[in-house]
Amino acid sequence: QKEVEQDPGPLSVPEGAIVSLNCTYSNSAFQYFMWYRQYSRKGPELLMYTYSSGNKEDGRFTAQVDKSSKYISLFIRDSQPSDSATYLCAMSAGGNNRLAFGKGNQVVVIP
Amino acid sequence: EPEVTQTPSHQVTQMGQEVILRCVPISNHLYFYWYRQILGQKVEFLVSFYNNEISEKSEIFDDQFSVERPDGSNFTLKIRSTKLEDSAMYFCASTQDYSNQPQHFGDGTRLSIL
Repeated sequence: QKEVEQDPGPLSVPEGAIVSLNCTYSNSAFQYFMWYRQYSRKGPELLMYTYSSGNKEDGRFTAQVDKSSKYISLFIRDSQPSDSATYLCAMSAGGNNRLAFGKGNQVVVIP
Repeated sequence: EPEVTQTPSHQVTQMGQEVILRCVPISNHLYFYWYRQILGQKVEFLVSFYNNEISEKSEIFDDQFSVERPDGSNFTLKIRSTKLEDSAMYFCASTQDYSNQPQHFGDGTRLSIL
């Protein structure tokens, strides 16, 4: 079983729709969970950072972590064309430990 | 906002040559990392570095790789004898010296081995 799984299938949504992304993982030692946004030819840009289980909201973005199911989600409300990017989930066992990444989801928001 | 900077943005090198990728981490950060992303694949961890020594490395980080902090601002990744399969984006990241801070990434160096 892969350490972090993220369905890489491209996702096209109309502007204003809710985007829902998720990752599953197998390593129960993971405690820190991140979502990064990556534009073409750029590095990963931190979007959301959560510790352990629960929800975190920041503007139009909500991150959810369910450690019992080893499942994390990112929701983008009122999606905008500028949200078009690749979204990477990442996680680590400790704050300074290596990050394990998912493969990334390419999201296209159509005006 | 402070950022991680990487140079060059694109490096083209002949197979078998040595290459050095450079990074300037965020100034008050003390943990440094290198990751790579082969085209179409996941971002993969290579090595982490703290207090002038390697703190963790992956199986990818073999004897052809080395890292160094030659001065107070730069952090480098050296690949001694490049292979075709070293072609990838290489990302540097840094974080502050306590456990609840996330890693911040540079925009990467695209390494092309011919």
